[in-house]
Amino acid sequence: ILNVEQSPQSLHVQEGDSTNFTCSFPSSNFYALHWYRWETAKSPEALFVMTLNGDEKKKGRISATLNTKEGYSYLYIKGSQPEDSATYLCAMNTGFQKLVFGTGTRLLVSP
Amino acid sequence: EPEVTQTPSHQVTQMGQEVILRCVPISNHLYFYWYRQILGQKVEFLVSFYNNEISEKSEIFDDQFSVERPDGSNFTLKIRSTKLEDSAMYFCASSSRPGPDPGNTIYFGEGSWLTVV
Repeated sequence: ILNVEQSPQSLHVQEGDSTNFTCSFPSSNFYALHWYRWETAKSPEALFVMTLNGDEKKKGRISATLNTKEGYSYLYIKGSQPEDSATYLCAMNTGFQKLVFGTGTRLLVSP
Repeated sequence: EPEVTQTPSHQVTQMGQEVILRCVPISNHLYFYWYRQILGQKVEFLVSFYNNEISEKSEIFDDQFSVERPDGSNFTLKIRSTKLEDSAMYFCASSSRPGPDPGNTIYFGEGSWLTVV
């Protein structure tokens, strides 16, 4: 059974702190890794789709890296703001019509 | 920005009743999906749909579930005889390219929260 893991489960930081979390996935049968940002009562927002080993993507203060050989991706938030508070989901695409999700990392940024 | 919309946002139903969850995917998208998240668990895949037929389904998607694109804009999930364990947040999603396309972005709706009592 394909298993995607995320750590930590939750994180509480102060405004201005930089933070990062991890998504681990099986390195075999890898096609793509998706990152989503999900705020309560809203739709999960697509952040990145990463496909190549060594990929680095950036969107504002958020960036992500990908290591397909060892099976992990890091998501970084520089200078966290309260509006960054959300659950960050990663999901692996194994080449079929479905995404396999991790449990998510719940981030709370206090002013 | 185009978005996937879902209705209802919340539905409470009696066990054994039929439920239809509705979705309007992004207008130029061709690939459609349903996912669900049971409280406290991971988001899990149910079904994908393309060209008016199911392309892939999970073991969860048994005979009590069906999907349909009745009119070229809506995409529905029907649960024929609901059980307590069907209580979950159901997400509709769509994409312009097929799932295995590595650059594919899949866009999700806000979800429909189903409570079976």
